Amino acid sequence: KNEVEQSPQNLTAQEGEFITINCSYSVGISALHWLQQHPGGGIVSLFMLSSGKKKHGRLIATINIQEKHSSLHITASHPRDSAVYICAVRGGYSGGGADGLTFGKGTHLIIQP
Amino acid sequence: ETGVTQTPRHLVMGMTNKKSLKCEQHLGHNAMYWYKQSAKKPLELMFVYSLEERVENNSVPSRFSPECPNSSHLFLHLHTLQPEDSALYLCASSQAHRSSYNSPLHFGNGTRLTVT
Repeated sequence: KNEVEQSPQNLTAQEGEFITINCSYSVGISALHWLQQHPGGGIVSLFMLSSGKKKHGRLIATINIQEKHSSLHITASHPRDSAVYICAVRGGYSGGGADGLTFGKGTHLIIQP
Repeated sequence: ETGVTQTPRHLVMGMTNKKSLKCEQHLGHNAMYWYKQSAKKPLELMFVYSLEERVENNSVPSRFSPECPNSSHLFLHLHTLQPEDSALYLCASSQAHRSSYNSPLHFGNGTRLTVT
């Protein structure tokens, strides 16, 4: 079973700061997801990646398969980025369950004006 | 508009009540999921309906009963719940293929359930 660890658990930063959230996992995977959950509860899928780097607006996600590690970066952070960011990994085999996703506990990010 | 709609947004029920949560997706996906999110815990998969097959997590108590009448609708029937069942219940959908579930999940906004 994959173990997914996120760090930090909580992060408070000032508007404009560069933010990095980390995710480590223990077993080889086929894909890694970054999700964003706002206080209302709804979850939005930000990225799904299996190698390299992806960028969308001010968000950048990277993954290092050899080191079993991924980072989510936010450039020029803004109060509207305040949310819980969740890392989820999908196993490299089909025997990990119907959806095969293992979730981290999330990183609670607060961006202060 | 997320494409996945859940109702109700909030639900308070007693332990002897019977209620149902509803989820509807307009994305043309063929897989739908129920997740439970308790405070300070990772998302937990409860049930999956995919390619007309139901896959069930055996650790889910029988007081939770899913129903998937078609590929666009998913229900979670609740009866004789316990206070520890209070949580956020999230529905999601995706486009699943026979050999892979490797596609993005689209989530609803969740139903905040409180059992008194």
